[in-house]
Amino acid sequence: KAGVTQTPRYLIKTRGQQVTLSCSPISGHRSVSWYQQTPGQGLQFLFEYFSETQRNKGNFPGRFSGRQFSNSRSEMNVSTLELGDSALYLCASSVLAGNYEQYFGPGTRLTVT
Amino acid sequence: DAKTTQPNSMESNEEEPVHLPCNHSTISGTDYIHWYRQLPSQGPEYVIHGLTSNVNNRMASLAIAEDRKSSTLILHRATLRDAAVYYCILRSYGGATNKLIFGTGTLLAVQP
Repeated sequence: KAGVTQTPRYLIKTRGQQVTLSCSPISGHRSVSWYQQTPGQGLQFLFEYFSETQRNKGNFPGRFSGRQFSNSRSEMNVSTLELGDSALYLCASSVLAGNYEQYFGPGTRLTVT
Repeated sequence: DAKTTQPNSMESNEEEPVHLPCNHSTISGTDYIHWYRQLPSQGPEYVIHGLTSNVNNRMASLAIAEDRKSSTLILHRATLRDAAVYYCILRSYGGATNKLIFGTGTLLAVQP
């Protein structure tokens, strides 16, 4: 069974631009969560989707948004990029919301210059 | 959300057992104790979880104190591949959410 895939793996953007990251969950998984990882703040929860509905949102500004499609694939978008948005963005999937085991992808490394 | 406290770092020798402690003194009755680890340049991976009783799986064992205010992840024979950051996380089953709150974790170094 294929694992969680994230594209692209690496991305370099300029301040003020916007970016879209993609996550394909494990086949059959309906829940997708997103996390941001930085050296200073560690791993922080961004948002969670289940059956195309946002179930939970972390403490991030409105520039961060996401969505989930009917095939459970998810995208997150960051508008008006700031230098502080440079981070590893991780996606995790699980079968159901509230399921105990989550499977993480390798992440997308975003660098904002 | 209840908090966990872990040592910043630990060292172990290859093929020796490793005991990774976690304190969670404000744990509630509905909180499960989960462990994830993150190997270098990878996303976190699930290790084990438990509620009250000790748990074993192919990766590790989880020993939970009787008062549930602390727990210990046990790697029975550390290998170089076990070098990672280990996160102890409390998850409440009061709501249907997959949100994980990561602390700073314990960086485990394994010496050959």
